[in-house]
Amino acid sequence: DIQMTQSPSTLSASVGDRVTITCRASQSISSWLAWYQQKPGKAPKLLIYKASNLEIGVPSRFSGSESGTEFALTISSLQPDDFATYYCQQYSTYPWTFGQGTKVEIK
Amino acid sequence: QVQLVQSGAEVKKPGASVKISCKASGYMFTRYYIHWVRQAPGQGLEWLGIINPGGGGTSYPQKFQDRVTMTRDMSTTTFYMELSSLRSEDTAVYYCARERKVERVFDHWGQGTLVTVSS
Repeated sequence: DIQMTQSPSTLSASVGDRVTITCRASQSISSWLAWYQQKPGKAPKLLIYKASNLEIGVPSRFSGSESGTEFALTISSLQPDDFATYYCQQYSTYPWTFGQGTKVEIK
Repeated sequence: QVQLVQSGAEVKKPGASVKISCKASGYMFTRYYIHWVRQAPGQGLEWLGIINPGGGGTSYPQKFQDRVTMTRDMSTTTFYMELSSLRSEDTAVYYCARERKVERVFDHWGQGTLVTVSS
């Protein structure tokens, strides 16, 4: 199975901060990586697909990038609505696997 | 609009089975694969498998191969996920999620079903 190692597990930041979450795949997944945002008691919401494609309706302060097997989700200016948990997920090979999650907390 | 509406919370004893439903509406039922994902309390997301509503074909991770069964009922546009030989570690919220055709990502999710396994 492909392991997705996400870091950090928790991130404390303030409104307006630029934050970056990283995700490393244990083997090549090409660009088959998605990022999801999850708020307590809710289902995950798609933010980014194919490593860097912004889902329709998602604010442009979210962006994704890749370098080999390293992927990143960047929020350019953190907003109050962005405090949540973020997951990366590879969909290159079954079984599809998720990172452990990054909780973005208010500093 | 696309909707995936899941059945209600369940409480089961260890060793029992649970069968959760996910009713799809607002789109062509046979065109989109459905996946099941679970989330234990305070934990991350875990993929349980996929079903092709057209032919009924499935794929499960080896970890769940002998315990999970995914089916669909085309007459009621409903998907089902059954997990057997339940243990306490199976306590989780179970989600169904639709896979978008081209991008192959989860674009719509059910609201989740809490399954509690306790003696």
